[in-house]
Amino acid sequence: GESVGLHLPTLSVQEGDNSIINCAYSNSASDYFIWYKQESGKGPQFIIDIRSNMDKRQGQRVTVLLNKTVKHLSLQIAATQPGDSAVYFCAEKTGGGNKLTFGTGTQLKVEL
Amino acid sequence: NAGVTQTPKFQVLKTGQSMTLQCAQDMNHEYMSWYRQDPGMGLRLIHYSVGAGITDQGEVPNGYNVSRSTTEDFPLRLLSAAPSQTSVYFCASTPPGVADTQYFGPGTRLTVL
Repeated sequence: GESVGLHLPTLSVQEGDNSIINCAYSNSASDYFIWYKQESGKGPQFIIDIRSNMDKRQGQRVTVLLNKTVKHLSLQIAATQPGDSAVYFCAEKTGGGNKLTFGTGTQLKVEL
Repeated sequence: NAGVTQTPKFQVLKTGQSMTLQCAQDMNHEYMSWYRQDPGMGLRLIHYSVGAGITDQGEVPNGYNVSRSTTEDFPLRLLSAAPSQTSVYFCASTPPGVADTQYFGPGTRLTVL
């Protein structure tokens, strides 16, 4: 999962395996969550989002799970590919407006 | 990146110099924002704007100014650069009708010597 500090946690998976990236969010009043993917030297890329009235949402090869009881968010990537190698981080929105609070990220490495 | 553009891609400044980081989108996005990204830290909000003529401070606004004279452009100004402002800067925007999702530009890597 994500943590504050100089070194990003790293998840290494074999190509073709499923990946699970975790995020612990901070505010129980947060009502919207996003997962972003960031490749080296590029801007964050939107992957999938979920609102607090949902527990699960699926996209193409990705699934986001939300557990509000323990304030935990996870991103599941099916059949992980080399192109999935990147830093993944979650963001939460609390209250009105568009302000997001971002996690520090997890480095996903896909081994061939 | 939903068409958000940023210039320049790289910049080196000396302490005390000023410069403007450009951000633009031509898709009528109302909400625009500036973040900085530092190693081991999450993106931190510097300033944001909910529409032309309206700006507000984020989490780390000191040392930065913004303006929003048009819907399309949201420049970030450093009036007197400091080494602590060495970072990667990202601009983001939200399309109309999409309440919360933010889409990011490619970033500007700034080094202050």
